[in-house]
Amino acid sequence: EVKLLESGGGLVQPGGSLRLSCAASGFTFTDFYMSWIRQPPGKAPEWLGVIRNKANGYTTEYNPSVKGRFTISRDNTQNILYLQMNTLRAEDTAIYYCARWRTGSWYFDFWGPGTMVTVSS
Amino acid sequence: DVVMTQTPVSLSVSLGGQVSISCRSSQSLVHNNGNTYLSWYLQKPGQSPQLLIYKVSNRFSGISDRFSGSGSGTDFTLKISRVEPDDLGVYYCGQGTQYPLTFGSGTKLEIK
Repeated sequence: EVKLLESGGGLVQPGGSLRLSCAASGFTFTDFYMSWIRQPPGKAPEWLGVIRNKANGYTTEYNPSVKGRFTISRDNTQNILYLQMNTLRAEDTAIYYCARWRTGSWYFDFWGPGTMVTVSS
Repeated sequence: DVVMTQTPVSLSVSLGGQVSISCRSSQSLVHNNGNTYLSWYLQKPGQSPQLLIYKVSNRFSGISDRFSGSGSGTDFTLKISRVEPDDLGVYYCGQGTQYPLTFGSGTKLEIK
């Protein structure tokens, strides 16, 4: 059974940093692209970026809206996906989801339950 | 960026009824390889989104045949027939054809 579980969310001050984690299980982690997606309360999801699989060199793509502030990485020995967020702003307040990105047909087939990040003083 | 526009914003339907949700993209979603990467997701209250349809019309594993997708180019439709109580939530379309990946603004389905 595919499982994704985010952690690391919480309250952070504007200008601060936070690192989110996503523990993956139930599939061969290195075979899959993985993404981070966020959703401000009451709004639509926003894709943040993707890290490719082993076959594609674990390269990354980012949404221009967060490029340069957010960094996606992965620990393929522990099956963990990370999102490093720097210089946080109030508008970064959202639920952050990790999701598995299915290559070939290009869809998100499994999502975690999400972790809430609140940026406020 | 590809802008995804969904209509209506919300709709109310009786149990057993049928509804259609429209999704239009600001650019063609036909990839260079000829495929169209348009997906539909349902976000039930308090849950993360779940995949319903991928590549316009393919139902994901375990999804009822009451859900069907159609369309091409820039115009797409999700139809739900014989609506059940468990269908309530917010429906999002999403495109995977080009980066950055984008989602529609959502259509909230309520049960009368």
